[in-house]
Amino acid sequence: SQQGEEDPQALSIQEGENATMNCSYKTSINNLQWYRQNSGRGLVHLILIRSNEREKHSGRLRVTLDTSKKSSSLLITASRAADTASYFCATDSGGSEKLVFGKGTKLTVNP
Amino acid sequence: SAVISQKPSRDICQRGTSLTIQCQVDSQVTMMFWYRQQPGQSLTLIATANQGSEATYESGFVIDKFPISRPNLTFSTLTVSNMSPEDSSIYLCSVDRGRTTVDYTFGSGTRLTVV
Repeated sequence: SQQGEEDPQALSIQEGENATMNCSYKTSINNLQWYRQNSGRGLVHLILIRSNEREKHSGRLRVTLDTSKKSSSLLITASRAADTASYFCATDSGGSEKLVFGKGTKLTVNP
Repeated sequence: SAVISQKPSRDICQRGTSLTIQCQVDSQVTMMFWYRQQPGQSLTLIATANQGSEATYESGFVIDKFPISRPNLTFSTLTVSNMSPEDSSIYLCSVDRGRTTVDYTFGSGTRLTVV
């Protein structure tokens, strides 16, 4: 079953703009991760945020986590056409290593 | 991060046949995970493969349809049996090599089309 729900499902922006994607989940988590997938290929890990962290940065990426609202957001600043991809959040919880994925946001960055 | 070699990268198969997908990891891992991604959808966990024991299947997935082998700590196979067009999906394997924190790596995926 899907734990995370991303919104929006699709997002189209111009190069240079910022893109914000949101993810909500249903149960307590250990970690939340964001992944990127280009054209239905393998997943690329972007960033991991632990349940006791509130914000994390990596290059042009900024992730926030609000455990009280069971939600996370991924911000991509100064977007580029190469950022065009699908973005998924995934959570792990309890003593399990398995990941539960959200439905994903399809981002299109227009040059 | 671990490096995973997954093959085949894609295949077109006739309905009623079976396809075996292989994943080779460059280091020993306790658990390997198999996911399915149906067209335009997110990833859904099929099963968790432990070395030396039977795989643990998620709700909606059964061993007869998706038999898994895990002969050692670096290798696993997933077979999609008696395929139908509804099995057309991307199948991905994954491992968590983290010790103090999670460290997931995914294979490049197998794009399966059943005709």
